[in-house]
Amino acid sequence: QQQVKQSPQSLIVQKGGISIINCAYENTAFDYFPWYQQFPGKGPALLIAIRPDVSEKKEGRFTISFNKSAKQFSLHIMDSQPGDSATYFCAASWGDYKLSFGAGTTVTVRA
Amino acid sequence: NAGVTQTPKFQVLKTGQSMTLQCAQDMNHNSMYWYRQDPGMGLRLIYYSASEGTTDKGEVPNGYNVSRLNKREFSLRLESAAPSQTSVYFCASRDRPNTEAFFGQGTRLTVV
Repeated sequence: QQQVKQSPQSLIVQKGGISIINCAYENTAFDYFPWYQQFPGKGPALLIAIRPDVSEKKEGRFTISFNKSAKQFSLHIMDSQPGDSATYFCAASWGDYKLSFGAGTTVTVRA
Repeated sequence: NAGVTQTPKFQVLKTGQSMTLQCAQDMNHNSMYWYRQDPGMGLRLIYYSASEGTTDKGEVPNGYNVSRLNKREFSLRLESAAPSQTSVYFCASRDRPNTEAFFGQGTRLTVV
């Protein structure tokens, strides 16, 4: 079974709106939480990552919020643009080299 | 700088046929990975290699074998393809744990 549970499976947002994707995990040994972005026909690419010693990280319009006690983290896409339409994956790993992914969220931004 | 290169990009196999998916990286990374991507399932780890000379099973290793030929190359072999192995396969590499993983463009495999 997947070690990282991601929701929703898909979402539609208007241009300029906020997209929110949530992930939850059980393994408290995880110490690295990246988000990957994938466009059709391409491989995933790193978008932003966080470690559990911080509660929030922001890069441009993308923000990760991390709640260690709840074992949850989320991606917020502010001022969503049509070019943000893609599939987003949360992931988690710890020192054994494995990187476990969530099931993915397809985001569609309507102009 | 090519990054992670996968060959072939597309392949159609008949049930029972065998094939090898090739992956090469030019970033001098220590660890390499094979994932499969299926609708609604995300990316599932098949096998990984933490360093040259070592390989380990991931979440879904059955029906696959791997070879870490050298530091650059990590191949995935299907000995007897089954329709359930129809998927998009991605190779990835990264230098150390908890750093960015770089992905190839994928191989779309159809088993009929």
